Amino acid sequence: DAGITQSPRYKITETGRQVTLMCHQTWSHSYMFWYRQDLGHGLRLIYYSAAADITDKGEVPDGYVVSRSKTENFPLTLESATRSQTSVYFCASSEGTVPYGYTFGSGTRLTVV
Amino acid sequence: AQKVTQAQTEISVVEKEDVTLDCVYETRDTTYYLFWYKQPPSGELVFLIRRNSFDEQNEISGRYSWNFQKSTSSFNFTITASQVVDSAVYFCALSEANSGYALNFGKGTSLLVTP
Repeated sequence: DAGITQSPRYKITETGRQVTLMCHQTWSHSYMFWYRQDLGHGLRLIYYSAAADITDKGEVPDGYVVSRSKTENFPLTLESATRSQTSVYFCASSEGTVPYGYTFGSGTRLTVV
Repeated sequence: AQKVTQAQTEISVVEKEDVTLDCVYETRDTTYYLFWYKQPPSGELVFLIRRNSFDEQNEISGRYSWNFQKSTSSFNFTITASQVVDSAVYFCALSEANSGYALNFGKGTSLLVTP
């Protein structure tokens, strides 16, 4: 199906483990984004990418790594998960430099125990 | 510094009341974009509207209307004759060129509409 897909939908992991959240879009949108949503903070930008092999930090990048070897995929890796990274993570994509709209994935609820 | 401020954390209204959600933004760019998103209890983010900085014309879509005023850096959202299905968290967001057009969200306003 066309759209933007995040996987997994739910994940429980232990402190210190590495975990990767996947994001895949089928439109070939240039821009992709990762946000985390926490109560009282709204959505905060972790990383974004303007094209394949181009990534940049957002507001809260510490503890996260991204890559974008292909336009359609934008995985987010927590190298050593901490409890403070328990959150709902949203991936989004946008068509181009003039943002006509952003499409969000359904989110991944990550719990670090 | 918070670029998008939604001062109302929670609003509770009775069905059929009108309600306005406030949004104040801060930017130095002359070209920018403003958005409203709805997040119902199911959790997905639903796009409502996009407005660019050169278009101050107000917009109405059914029971929804938006008032964009550059002079006060505000982009307020009004729901007329609210319904229970309008209960959700509403986010205002700003998109600027100098941040790769990433959305900078406010903290959201939780709207509860009771019968």
